[in-house]
Amino acid sequence: AAGVIQSPRHLIKEKRETATLKCYPIPRHDTVYWYQQGPGQDPQFLISFYEKMQSDKGSIPDRFSAQQFSDYHSELNMSSLELGDSALYFCASSLKGAKQNEQYFGPGTRLTVT
Amino acid sequence: AQSVSQHNHHVILSEAASLELGCNYSYGGTVNLFWYVQYPGQHLQLLLKYFSGDPLVKGIKGFEAEFIKSKFSFNLRKPSVQWSDTAEYFCAVNVVGKLIFGQGTELSVKP
Repeated sequence: AAGVIQSPRHLIKEKRETATLKCYPIPRHDTVYWYQQGPGQDPQFLISFYEKMQSDKGSIPDRFSAQQFSDYHSELNMSSLELGDSALYFCASSLKGAKQNEQYFGPGTRLTVT
Repeated sequence: AQSVSQHNHHVILSEAASLELGCNYSYGGTVNLFWYVQYPGQHLQLLLKYFSGDPLVKGIKGFEAEFIKSKFSFNLRKPSVQWSDTAEYFCAVNVVGKLIFGQGTELSVKP
C-alpha cells in the first residue's frame, strides 16, 4: 500500500539559509500534519492542513511557513535557519472523517543546520 | 493543558522478560490513544490504538495495551520481549486532530 512520502530524506543547510520540505500524503488523504522531533526528544506538533486550509497550529516558529496544495501535498518552508532547527521533521496524513483521524507517518526529513 | 507522561525513560530487559511501559495522559475530552514505535533511524510506526469499546487492545508484534479511564492510563505490555523489540516507544493522545506525544521510553533488550 502507498505510504506517506517525504523529500528530501536528508538535508544539510547552513545557518541563515532557507529549506523546503515536501510531503506527499497517502492517496485520498486530505489532511496533513507536520511534526518536529529534536535529538532525543518526542515529536512536537507544528501545523496541520485540511483541504488546503490551515486547521491547527502548534509550536511553529514565525520563520516557518507551510501550505497545502490542490493535490494535497504540503510544503514546509523554513527561513533564517538556526542550529536549533536541526531535527527530524515528520509529516503525517489522515482522512478527515475516517475513524478518529488515524495518522500515518512518513519516513521523515532529517535536517542538519551547520 | 493536555499532556502525556511516560513513566520510564529507559528500560533494559533480557530476552523473554515481560514488558510493561506506563503512560498517563491529561485530557478531559474523549480520548483516542496510541502507541507508536520508532526503531533506530526509522520513522514512527503505529503499534496499536484505542478509540472506544474493549479497553484491552491488541496490536502488532504481540503488543497489547489496557485503557483504564479512572486512572487516565494506557499502559503497553508484551509477555515476552525479543531483541528485535529494541526501539523507542511513544504514547500519544489525539487532541482535536493533533497528536500529543509522551517523552518516549527507550527499550533495550539484551540477547
